[in-house]
Amino acid sequence: DAKTTQPTSMDCAEGRAANLPCNHSTISGNEYVYWYRQIHSQGPQYIIHGLKNNETNEMASLIITEDRKSSTLILPHATLRDTAVYYCIVRVTGGFKTIFGAGTRLFVKA
Amino acid sequence: EPEVTQTPSHQVTQMGQEVILRCVPISNHLYFYWYRQILGQKVEFLVSFYNNEISEKSEIFDDQFSVERPDGSNFTLKIRSTKLEDSAMYFCASSGVFADTQYFGPGTRLTVL
Repeated sequence: DAKTTQPTSMDCAEGRAANLPCNHSTISGNEYVYWYRQIHSQGPQYIIHGLKNNETNEMASLIITEDRKSSTLILPHATLRDTAVYYCIVRVTGGFKTIFGAGTRLFVKA
Repeated sequence: EPEVTQTPSHQVTQMGQEVILRCVPISNHLYFYWYRQILGQKVEFLVSFYNNEISEKSEIFDDQFSVERPDGSNFTLKIRSTKLEDSAMYFCASSGVFADTQYFGPGTRLTVL
């Protein structure tokens, strides 16, 4: 699995968009970009994933650059409950393990 | 919305004792996983299970660990003789027929005294 690089921590004001960057310059053509988050010590929560097109769901948007070497997770209107560690992961599909890094600790402040 | 469930939420045991952690994956999922997270550290992969056999395991998953799908709904992780360093959150996950997105359970906190 390709390695990802994320900032250690970020702050965001409540109600504003949170933009979390991720670099994955060694990503392979068959690897997807996945985002999970972990609130306190709860189980990792799936947010969104994509291959090369931008994706949007009820939780977030995922913007992947054309060369696929980086991506940004966007939480459009962050709330206090979005305070969590956000993990950017690249992996192939097919039942393989998910490798978690240290992630980005997002603090949403009132 | 379907979800992975785990029991118990917290297990306390004495060193050397056997523990069984239980998971109910999402119905009709075919791939099952166990991960663990020691306090303050990263989430680590332990094992993946498909078609009633282990498909991949990490170096952490030694002979003290075993997994089983005893019936059509449960997926268990057994630690034969617990050690202090087994204290951690244990997460079960499952994924569907295309084995793409893994969905995680809430975890079991294992405390070994």
